[in-house]
Amino acid sequence: KNEVEQSPQNLTAQEGEFITINCSYSVGISALHWLQQHPGGGIVSLFMLSSGKKKHGRLIATINIQEKHSSLHITASHPRDSAVYICAVPQGAQKLVFGQGTRLTINP
Amino acid sequence: EAGVAQSPRYKIIEKRQSVAFWCNPISGHATLYWYQQILGQGPKLLIQFQNNGVVDDSQLPKDRFSAERLKGVDSTLKIQPAKLEDSAVYLCASSLVNGAGTGELFFGEGSRLTVL
Repeated sequence: KNEVEQSPQNLTAQEGEFITINCSYSVGISALHWLQQHPGGGIVSLFMLSSGKKKHGRLIATINIQEKHSSLHITASHPRDSAVYICAVPQGAQKLVFGQGTRLTINP
Repeated sequence: EAGVAQSPRYKIIEKRQSVAFWCNPISGHATLYWYQQILGQGPKLLIQFQNNGVVDDSQLPKDRFSAERLKGVDSTLKIQPAKLEDSAVYLCASSLVNGAGTGELFFGEGSRLTVL
């Protein structure tokens, strides 16, 4: 079993829809990363959070440490949000373990 | 602030040839990571440096891969000889603090390797 599980693996939605991507992990952590990777592009760090909720523009990330679960939400989705979204958690003090990613496609 | 710089962006070689990738992290970032990302998969850590010391290279195929960060700043990753399964994007990332759990990661654009 992977230490980090994301769902869904693929998600296609219409422009304007509310999007939720989930991440579950099996080990205790101090913080969790959400990353975004556009096709052919590098990876951009969206959030690093250890509790509660963070918001940046139309993106919202929440985490429940007790339940070992985090969600990434996108409000009023737009085609430019189409990308792979990756959840990553630290393994021990120094190593990040990545989820397999969620491929999001927003159709106009 | 300049981001993480990587070169080359693209490289095509034949199997058994060698290749080298270069990474210049964000100024002041002590921790540098090399990841391998095969198409359709998440990144896999190859090696992590703290300044010029190796913190974790447990997943680096040491018979063919090598990496160095001699002065604790920029780094090179070498593959010799390359195999078909090495075709991937090689991502470099850096962070300010020691420990992946506490520092935000900054990634380069990646170097896409195709082995024919």
